[in-house]
Amino acid sequence: NAGVTQTPKFRILKIGQSMTLQCTQDMNHNYMYWYRQDPGMGLKLIYYSVGAGITDKGEVPNGYNVSRSTTEDFPLRLELAAPSQTSVYFCASSGRDHTDTQYFGPGTRLTVL
Amino acid sequence: AQSVAQPEDQVNVAEGNPLTVKCTYSVSGNPYLFWYVQYPNRGLQFLLKYITGDNLVKGSYGFEAEFNKSQTSFHLKKPSALVSDSALYFCAVSHDRDDKIIFGKGTRLHILP
Repeated sequence: NAGVTQTPKFRILKIGQSMTLQCTQDMNHNYMYWYRQDPGMGLKLIYYSVGAGITDKGEVPNGYNVSRSTTEDFPLRLELAAPSQTSVYFCASSGRDHTDTQYFGPGTRLTVL
Repeated sequence: AQSVAQPEDQVNVAEGNPLTVKCTYSVSGNPYLFWYVQYPNRGLQFLLKYITGDNLVKGSYGFEAEFNKSQTSFHLKKPSALVSDSALYFCAVSHDRDDKIIFGKGTRLHILP
């Protein structure tokens, strides 16, 4: 049982490039989340999904897009990378709803130069 | 809108002494409160949560937290600290009228041998 997996682990992008951060969970969870973690700032919610086909904005959605075509996958898209998007990105999932425990992936460290 | 505050960036405790990591919150409905721990270069791991019921919640690794509605607090405690408890601790809040979960900035706990 792999839980929540994220790829890649590390990535360096140039300003203006685009990329997709992949997130997959094998626990049949309804809820999935994307966070970014910056030093001294804690975790900020970017987007979340309550089920396949349903997504909603979090605290810091600008510059990102998501889709949820299946229960298992919740990719995060950066269209025009900016230095301000340098961060560590975590994907998480929870079973029933937002009262349930969140299970986190190992993270993707992204640097935009 | 909900918010959560962790007033201490860092807490230092001698091994064997009791520890407390503070968390206060603000929500417009009934709060759902969580504590997570992050070890270096890892994703977050769930410790405990308060949804309803007893104000004293027991969690993993001997940690507990007390929900105090009048003081809007949910402090994390442990009777006897271990060096292995050294990590970054996050408090998070949600409520019954919103799917979002908001994380605090985190408190770094150092247990001194």
